[in-house]
Amino acid sequence: NAGVMQNPRHLVRRRGQEARLRCSPVKGHSHVYWYRQLPEEGLKFMVYLQKENIIDESGMPKERFSAEFPKEGPSILRIQQVVRGDSAAYFCASSLHGGAETDTQYFGPGTRLTVL
Amino acid sequence: DQQVKQNSPSLSVQEGRISILNCDYTNSMFDYFLWYKKYPAEGPTFLISISSIKDKNEDGRFTVFLNKSAKHLSLHIVPSQPGDSAVYFCASRSGGSYIPTFGRGTSLIVHP
Repeated sequence: NAGVMQNPRHLVRRRGQEARLRCSPVKGHSHVYWYRQLPEEGLKFMVYLQKENIIDESGMPKERFSAEFPKEGPSILRIQQVVRGDSAAYFCASSLHGGAETDTQYFGPGTRLTVL
Repeated sequence: DQQVKQNSPSLSVQEGRISILNCDYTNSMFDYFLWYKKYPAEGPTFLISISSIKDKNEDGRFTVFLNKSAKHLSLHIVPSQPGDSAVYFCASRSGGSYIPTFGRGTSLIVHP
């Protein structure tokens, strides 16, 4: 399966704990995007990364959230000191070209985070 | 303020008939439009797209129509099949932007 991989698929955390979500893009893709979907809502952009660089983090909360995409290994979305409002589905997408008009983002299956 | 609106949360259609999913947008800078399909417990899958220089794009059973003056687009599926039952998201992008703005989705149920 050469698609976007995300793990874990389900993650349960207690308030105050840390959540780490991993995303491996399609082989050969160097552009990664993270989205969050709250219940009954559409997907909301959080952050866009290219290898080792954050390109756009305008959709990411200023506190407790961070993202990285190292030279080797998966992209990581980290949420520190989780609160109940962080409960959502977090989707990662990858693309080949980044800003090209016809560039298509391919989505992973998502990580469903539940904060107790 | 929702820039991309899918006003019908759900749609039920009989197998073999046409499914029409609608989407409205408010941002006149949007010039590229996409439809994604999402099954439960899976990520969205790209379905079809259209650039603002066109008013129609067709791919097999799927056709997207764009009415720029009305800021409206629609996805037609004909004939509808039970396997088309999923949530359909409309998304829009403005020139040079890599970030689509998504609607809330329409849940399509195609019953035999």
